Amino acid sequence: QKEVEQNSGPLSVPEGAIASLNCTYSDRGSQSFFWYRQYSGKSPELIMSIYSNGDKEDGRFTAQLNKASQYVSLLIRDSQPSDSATYLCAVCIGTSYGKLTFGQGTILTVHP
Amino acid sequence: AAGVIQSPRHLIKEKRETATLKCYPIPRHDTVYWYQQGPGQDPQFLISFYEKMQSDKGSIPDRFSAQQFSDYHSELNMSSLELGDSALYFCASSLGSGVVVGYEQYFGPGTRLTVT
Repeated sequence: QKEVEQNSGPLSVPEGAIASLNCTYSDRGSQSFFWYRQYSGKSPELIMSIYSNGDKEDGRFTAQLNKASQYVSLLIRDSQPSDSATYLCAVCIGTSYGKLTFGQGTILTVHP
Repeated sequence: AAGVIQSPRHLIKEKRETATLKCYPIPRHDTVYWYQQGPGQDPQFLISFYEKMQSDKGSIPDRFSAQQFSDYHSELNMSSLELGDSALYFCASSLGSGVVVGYEQYFGPGTRLTVT
């Protein structure tokens, strides 16, 4: 079992819809969670960090964290074609605060 | 806003050669991380430095070494290069090194290393 797992995708949504991306992690002691967006051949771009249970909103993006279920998600509202990319869930596993462990990524395609 | 700078952006080397990748963190950031991303794979953590000291170590081959200098820039030295070392190498930086939680890491544009 991978330490960080994402739904395999690819995920295709129409423009203007809500895209929902999911991620689970194995270590119950993990405290720090991040979502990155990566366009093909480019570097990961930080979308959001989340540390506490509940929702955190930033513009069209909402991250949700449920530590009891070891689950973190990212919602993208009003999806745009420019949101088409690979979305990476990253976790500081356990007490490894100095390194990120990534999921395999979910490819999102937003079609007009 | 200033971002992480990496050089060179592209590098072609032959097997058994050496390579040096450089990373200049965002101004005021004191922690640097190195990641390797193979084709179709997620980034894999290699090593990190905080205040010029190694702070964490991942799956970095013994052929690789790294250090952080007094101006906080970092260099990744790779020797006896193998075909399997061909990958994107990212440097990331953060302000502070996590003690209770992980800090947000901002990635540079990467160095694409091709070993022939």
